[in-house]
Amino acid sequence: SQQGEEDPQALSIQEGENATMNCSYKTSINNLQWYRQNSGRGLVHLILIRSNEREKHSGRLRVTLDTSKKSSSLLITASRAADTASYFCATDQGAQKLVFGQGTRLTINP
Amino acid sequence: DAGVIQSPRHEVTEMGQEVTLRCKPISGHDYLFWYRQTMMRGLELLIYFNNNVPIDDSGMPEDRFSAKMPNASFSTLKIQPSEPRDSAVYFCASAWSPAPNGIRETQYFGPGTRLLVL
Repeated sequence: SQQGEEDPQALSIQEGENATMNCSYKTSINNLQWYRQNSGRGLVHLILIRSNEREKHSGRLRVTLDTSKKSSSLLITASRAADTASYFCATDQGAQKLVFGQGTRLTINP
Repeated sequence: DAGVIQSPRHEVTEMGQEVTLRCKPISGHDYLFWYRQTMMRGLELLIYFNNNVPIDDSGMPEDRFSAKMPNASFSTLKIQPSEPRDSAVYFCASAWSPAPNGIRETQYFGPGTRLLVL
């Protein structure tokens, strides 16, 4: 079964706006990762946040992690048309494997 | 580096036929993962290898599925016989552990094989 649950399932915003996606999980984790998937392509790693970190930045991306609530958020600032993709959170629970959520489909309208 | 290479990119076959999917991981990576993605079930881990040895195959749906990794640069996922419900996109991913028992972090995905079983 999928561990991470993304919210919302789909998000449509105007170019230039910020996009926020959320992920909830159920068990303790070593780290949480976010991946992007463009239509018809494989997943691409975006950012990793460890269980002892609360916030991390990478370019226009900002990830937060709240282990007490077992949740994470991905913020994309100043969105661009090229950000249109599906975004997945993945939890590393140990045993060297990731469990992916169902993803959020993000559409950036020009 | 060319990244993870998968072949074929598309496969259309008839029910009952054998299907073989191939993967070449990134050179130097010691972990290899096979995933299946469908609209209904999302991205599921089927099996993963470490140093060519299968570690966890609990996600393999049934005996019709088998995976091998004869060497560090090649892996196959075989479905025999195939069924329409096997239709999905199959991804291979590889990763690298920085040290023995080290935490493996980023996974690098191939472009996937889109399988359609008629």
